[in-house]
Parts: sequence; structure tokens; C-alpha cells
Amino acid sequence: AQSVTQPDIHITVSEGASLELRCNYSYGATPYLFWYVQSPGQGLQLLLKYFSGDTLVQGIKGFEAEFKRSQSSFNLRKPSVHWSDAAEYFCAVGARGGGNKLTFGTGTQLKVEL
Amino acid sequence: DARVTQTPRDKVTEMGQEVTMRCQPILGHNTVFWYRQTMMQGLELLAYFRNRAPLDDSGMPKDRFSAEMPDATLATLKIQPSEPRDSAVYFCASGSNPLAEIYNEQFFGPGTRLTVL
Repeated sequence: AQSVTQPDIHITVSEGASLELRCNYSYGATPYLFWYVQSPGQGLQLLLKYFSGDTLVQGIKGFEAEFKRSQSSFNLRKPSVHWSDAAEYFCAVGARGGGNKLTFGTGTQLKVEL
Repeated sequence: DARVTQTPRDKVTEMGQEVTMRCQPILGHNTVFWYRQTMMQGLELLAYFRNRAPLDDSGMPKDRFSAEMPDATLATLKIQPSEPRDSAVYFCASGSNPLAEIYNEQFFGPGTRLTVL
């Protein structure tokens, strides 16, 4: 069965600084990988996804993520963080043939200091 | 602007009472997911429907939880009897999944915050 690890529970960055959120997955084949964002009191919104092809994927709100098979990682990055990016971020993995079912990581809470 | 809707948004009840949460998936979506989110356990998948048929409810406590899709526009999650440990935010998500091997985005509703006293 697949699993996801987000090693950082909380991260604080200054507005304008760069951001990298870590995600490691465990799966026997090439997985489907996702990053979702959850603002307070809201549901989850998809930021970006990786299915195949180019290992650097672009998402909404200026986010990008890079799939590194050798490291089993799918880290999320943003070059310059805005105060509105403060939220909780979830990495998720889906198994091929799994019919849209996802396994989520425990999330990383991002705080942005002004 | 198509959205997943969930009712109620907030529910406070007493232990032992029945709780029913409702979800209206996005029109045309054929997969529906129920998740539970708590501080301790994070986001857990409770049940998963495809074309209204339950495919996976292994994450759901069977003795007190039940999930159904009476029609394509309504999914329900019921807890009977409720217990304080059921206090959580329950999310519904829907997606378009024409084939099992095809992945598409899950769209999440705003959640139902359940408090069992």
C-alpha cells in the first residue's frame, strides 16, 4: 500500500522568502502525486498534480513541484511567499488503477511572517 | 461555478444521538469520497463510491457509521449512535472518474464540523 510522509508539521517563513515543503512517498511503481492546500475553515483545493512526463510541474498561485524518483520525493516550492499563502498543505499519492482514491500526508502548517 | 455542497456546516449534538451529514457532488461527477479530519489522525478516508456503488468503506467503523448514495445528486454519512470521539470535520469530495485507471482531481466541499458532547 502507498504512503506519504510530510516531515515538517509547521514551517514559518517571512513574506517574500522562498518556500519548500517536503513530501516523501512510498509506492512500488510510479505514483500519481498531488499537492492540496487548505485555508482555515475551508475544504482542500488542488494546487498541482504529477501523472507522468516532465518532472517539474507548475500549479496555481505560483507553486511548482518536482518529482524525483530516486529520492521518492515530490517537494512543493514557491520562489516568493505571500501572506495569503498561510494555510495547511497536504501531499497525496494515488495508486495506478486505484480509481481516484488518494492517500494523504499529515499536512504541513505554513505560517507567514510579515 | 460548480461546487460540492455539504450540509449542515456545523452540528453540535449529544452523545447517543443520530447524526446525518449530506453531500451534493458536482453534477456529472461519478466518484464521491467521505473523509474525516482530526488533529490527531489527520485526513482519513472513510468511504468511497463510484457510480453510486460503494467501493471501499474499510476506513469506516461499521458498527456505528453508514454511508449511502440514494441517487447521483446526494451522498449521506450517518452516525448512530454518536460518541464524543466522532467529533471532527467531515469532508465530502467528488470527482469525474470515467475509468478506474484514470485519475482526476477530487473537488472538496467545505466540510461539516461535528461536535459530540
